[in-house]
Amino acid sequence: GAGVSQTPSNKVTEKGKYVELRCDPISGHTALYWYRQSLGQGPEFLIYFQGTGAADDSGLPNDRFFAVRPEGSVSTLKIQRTERGDSAVYLCASSSLGQETQYFGPGTRLLVL
Amino acid sequence: GIQVEQSPPDLILQEGANSTLRCNFSDSVNNLQWFHQNPWGQLINLFYIPSGTKQNGRLSATTVATERYSLLYISSSQTTDSGVYFCAVDTGGFKTIFGAGTRLFVKA
Repeated sequence: GAGVSQTPSNKVTEKGKYVELRCDPISGHTALYWYRQSLGQGPEFLIYFQGTGAADDSGLPNDRFFAVRPEGSVSTLKIQRTERGDSAVYLCASSSLGQETQYFGPGTRLLVL
Repeated sequence: GIQVEQSPPDLILQEGANSTLRCNFSDSVNNLQWFHQNPWGQLINLFYIPSGTKQNGRLSATTVATERYSLLYISSSQTTDSGVYFCAVDTGGFKTIFGAGTRLFVKA
């Protein structure tokens, strides 16, 4: 009965490093979304999974960003060669059928120094 | 792509007051949701409302899809209502577009 969980809560890294952010959706939810939220703005869509496949990755800003969901449950967002502009809160959400109510995790606050 | 505009951008209320938040969108939508982001950053879904009217306690929402807007009503506001209210839409695909939000502060 747990909600969406995300780890780590906070991540500080240096410019150029590689980071992985994890999302554990609500059990049984087949749809999973990743968003990025910068200070003072609304969440910005990154990628959507239905099951194991990425049905829409049009929001990924460039090829340094990649996400996987190999077993249709947990998802990992991977950022290569991090830049200071990648600093933001990364949010994950899940839903039961993909186009209904989305339930959000607490987010991972990423700071790139 | 679709544009989502929310108004007002900022709102200060005295506890007990009522308010109306508005969301305008530039194209037909398949899905519309209202969220509350509390001061600790947690996003909570308030309504899934692509059309019609729904109520949940002191909150209610109305979406007029043909006129491309949605309204969120908060009655008898409380300090715990403070935070940012977001409207989010999709046009039939999976990409959800959020507005910039309305920042609400309720004074005791």
